[in-house]
Amino acid sequence: AQSVTQLDSQVPVFEEAPVELRCNYSSSVSVYLFWYVQYPNQGLQLLLKYLSGSTLVESINGFEAEFNKSQTSFHLRKPSVHISDTAEYFCAVSDGGIQGAQKLVFGQGTRLTINP
Amino acid sequence: DAGVIQSPRHEVTEMGQEVTLRCKPISGHNSLFWYRQTMMRGLELLIYFNNNVPIDDSGMPEDRFSAKMPNASFSTLKIQPSEPRDSAVYFCASGNTEAFFGQGTRLTVV
Repeated sequence: AQSVTQLDSQVPVFEEAPVELRCNYSSSVSVYLFWYVQYPNQGLQLLLKYLSGSTLVESINGFEAEFNKSQTSFHLRKPSVHISDTAEYFCAVSDGGIQGAQKLVFGQGTRLTINP
Repeated sequence: DAGVIQSPRHEVTEMGQEVTLRCKPISGHNSLFWYRQTMMRGLELLIYFNNNVPIDDSGMPEDRFSAKMPNASFSTLKIQPSEPRDSAVYFCASGNTEAFFGQGTRLTVV
């Protein structure tokens, strides 16, 4: 069975500081990895994904994550955060599933708070 | 595309009543998921369908919960009878590789 561990439940940082949100997974098969963001009272939005190829993936708003197979990690980073990045971030893992179905297993989430 | 559409957005009901949550997935997506989010348990996968067929319902809490997908453009999650501990935000998501989430239904059972 797959599982995801997000090592920090809350991360407070100052605006324009760098941030890293940690994610470790366990799986017995090849995996796809995702980061989702949830703003208050909204659904989850896909931030970035790793399916195959380059282990470093980037989002359009400056986040990046690196797939590390040996350490079973997929940490999310941003070199300089903005107030608008305040949200809850979820790491998720899935396998290939049956006929393309993707059963997503989520971590418990990390609440990122940006202070001015 | 309008995205995944869930209705209602908010539902308040009395214990013992039947509750039906509805979802319209994005056209062309093969998979549909129902998740439940609470402070205590986080995001839990209840059930998912592929090509309208239920693949894994091991996350459905008990027999009071049931889900159907009669066609590719509609799914329901029913709770009968509802209990206060069912209070949560219920999300529907659809996708082929990654999942696209709806805005959720906030259910309060009093």
